[in-house]
Amino acid sequence: DAGVIQSPRHEVTEMGQEVTLRCKPISGHDYLFWYRQTMMRGLELLIYFNNNVPIDDSGMPEDRFSAKMPNASFSTLKIQPSEPRDSAVYFCASTLEGFDNNYGYTFGSGTRLTVV
Amino acid sequence: GQQLNQSPQSMFIQEGEDVSMNCTSSSIFNTWLWYKQDPGEGPVLLIALYKAGELTSNGRLTAQFGITRKDSFLNISASIPSDVGIYFCAGAFNDYKLSFGAGTTVTVRA
Repeated sequence: DAGVIQSPRHEVTEMGQEVTLRCKPISGHDYLFWYRQTMMRGLELLIYFNNNVPIDDSGMPEDRFSAKMPNASFSTLKIQPSEPRDSAVYFCASTLEGFDNNYGYTFGSGTRLTVV
Repeated sequence: GQQLNQSPQSMFIQEGEDVSMNCTSSSIFNTWLWYKQDPGEGPVLLIALYKAGELTSNGRLTAQFGITRKDSFLNISASIPSDVGIYFCAGAFNDYKLSFGAGTTVTVRA
């Protein structure tokens, strides 16, 4: 398997623009997570899905952030409008319930977002 | 998420030395995990612990789940240059919401 695939790897955008980050989980995995990593706040869980349904979005910072999972093989995280403080590395991860070490979910390589 | 205190924040070690880092929480967890992150990549799971008092090894890595369920440590024996990276502890309690520590940055002197 190719692992969790995120795109783009790097994104530079101007303040106020819409940004869409994409994720393809490992085939067969039924949980998908979006994390944000910054120097100040470390790794923070934003939202997670089970069987394409959002389970907990309490980590989503504000209404400018939204996430969707239209099918089992694709998820998006959208920021509209983007602000400089959204600059961070955004990780997607996935796992399979009931699988050994299912807490050791597989992370993608991340999208480094810079909002100028 | 829960507050995890990870220490030390960074360390320089000599190749061949043993390394120890730990993580404490103000709340109990029923799962502790240790991850390693290399530059430009996502975290990768090293060891998972599911029972208080559990001691688990993975090659040169050994981790323990504290009896109080509020702490864990990770040891790396006979460090080598590829041990460089950031090590994160993470905890969970009855769901998939992992809380991560701030990380320990390890740099190896050859």
